[in-house]
Amino acid sequence: AQSVTQLGSHVSVSEGALVLLRCNYSSSVPPYLFWYVQYPNQGLQLLLKYTTGATLVKGINGFEAEFKKSETSFHLTKPSAHMSDAAEYFCAVGSEWDYKLSFGAGTTVTVRA
Amino acid sequence: DGGITQSPKYLFRKEGQNVTLSCEQNLNHDAMYWYRQDPGQGLRLIYYSQIVNDFQKGDIAEGYSVSREKKESFPLTVTSAQKNPTAFYLCASKGSGSVETQYFGPGTRLLVL
Repeated sequence: AQSVTQLGSHVSVSEGALVLLRCNYSSSVPPYLFWYVQYPNQGLQLLLKYTTGATLVKGINGFEAEFKKSETSFHLTKPSAHMSDAAEYFCAVGSEWDYKLSFGAGTTVTVRA
Repeated sequence: DGGITQSPKYLFRKEGQNVTLSCEQNLNHDAMYWYRQDPGQGLRLIYYSQIVNDFQKGDIAEGYSVSREKKESFPLTVTSAQKNPTAFYLCASKGSGSVETQYFGPGTRLLVL
C-alpha cells in the first residue's frame, strides 16, 4: 500500500518569500511522485512529477521538488511567492505497477501582499 | 482542443433520487477515474477503469455505480444509497503507459436539496 502525508494543512507566506510545502510518502516499491495545484472550484493541474532519473524536478510556474529516498520526502519549493500562487496543493504517490494514485490531504497556500 | 469535460458544473439531488455525473475525454486515454473531494480530506478514489467494459471499485465505492461502454465516456451514478453525497466530484484520465500522468476535468459540485 502507498500513502502520502502532507505536513501542514495551511501555509501563509509573504509575496516574494520562499514557498515550502512538505510531502512524505510511504511505498513498498519505487514510487512515482506528483504535485498538483487546484484553484477554487476547478480541477487539478499537474505542477511536476518524478518517475526515475534526476531527483531534482522542475515544474511549471517556477516550482521544483526534490526526491529524497533516504528521507522518503518530495518537498515542493518556489523561491519567490506570487499572489497567483494562492491555491491548494496536493502531493500524490503511485508506482509502475499500479494504475492508481494515493493523494495527500492537501495544503492551502495563502500569499500576503 | 483535447481535454476532459464534466457536466453539469452544479447538480442538485433530492432525497431518494439517483443522479448521474457525466465525464467525457477526447485524449484517447485508456484509463479513467472518479474521485470524491471533501474539505480537508484530499481526493478519495470511487471507481476506476483501465479499459472499456471493465472497472474496479476504489476506496469508497459504496453508494456509487459506473459504466464504461465507450472509451471516451465514464459516467458516475450517485445512488440513493449514498447517504452523504454532498461533495466535489472529479474525473480524471490517463494514458496506458506506466509513467503517464492523470489529467483532471473541471469537476461537478453535487448538493443535496
